[in-house]
Amino acid sequence: DTAVSQTPKYLVTQMGNDKSIKCEQNLGHDTMYWYKQDSKKFLKIMFSYNNKELIINETVPNRFSPKSPDKAHLNLHINSLELGDSAVYFCASSQVLGGAKNIQYFGAGTRLSVL
Amino acid sequence: SQKIEQNSEALNIQEGKTATLTCNYTNYSPAYLQWYRQDPGRGPVFLLLIRKNEKEKRKERLKVTFDTTLKQSLFHITASQPADSATYLCATQGGKLIFGQGTELSVKP
Repeated sequence: DTAVSQTPKYLVTQMGNDKSIKCEQNLGHDTMYWYKQDSKKFLKIMFSYNNKELIINETVPNRFSPKSPDKAHLNLHINSLELGDSAVYFCASSQVLGGAKNIQYFGAGTRLSVL
Repeated sequence: SQKIEQNSEALNIQEGKTATLTCNYTNYSPAYLQWYRQDPGRGPVFLLLIRKNEKEKRKERLKVTFDTTLKQSLFHITASQPADSATYLCATQGGKLIFGQGTELSVKP
């Protein structure tokens, strides 16, 4: 059983399109995250949800909208895709937000290519 | 603002040697530091967490140190193997994690 699974693994789309990435965790964790990893491998947090509540919202264009229907799911919807959105997006979860139990469990990533 | 830096140059070593990776942090006094391993095409995988009051933490062939005076953490892999080749990321611990850019390790047979 995959602990954190995200779909799709690859996403190739045209500029201006809208797309969604889905994430599910079966670890029973309270907190979920979206990270973006750019071409230089720099991993940066975008959003964090704790018990379905948005906790961290970094400086991300409002074209990106996360949604957490329940503790086990966190989706990311992106409107009007731009070339600069091309990156690998990782979903992650942790037992709690902050503290020694804030160990992140990552999904395999979604490689988004905007043409 | 908080800053965490790793040596962005790839580290190439011979099998059997000890690999040492460096993580430096500034403008921050983390209570913990974490180390992750990332293989190509995969998400990072947690390896070790060290608290600021711990000088050293070990797990099998891995050892992490935390020097609050130098504001530095060192990550060691002893008796390195080609299977240890990957990118290693350090991260500061807090309400959110801030990751370093990672150091790519290549272990040659």
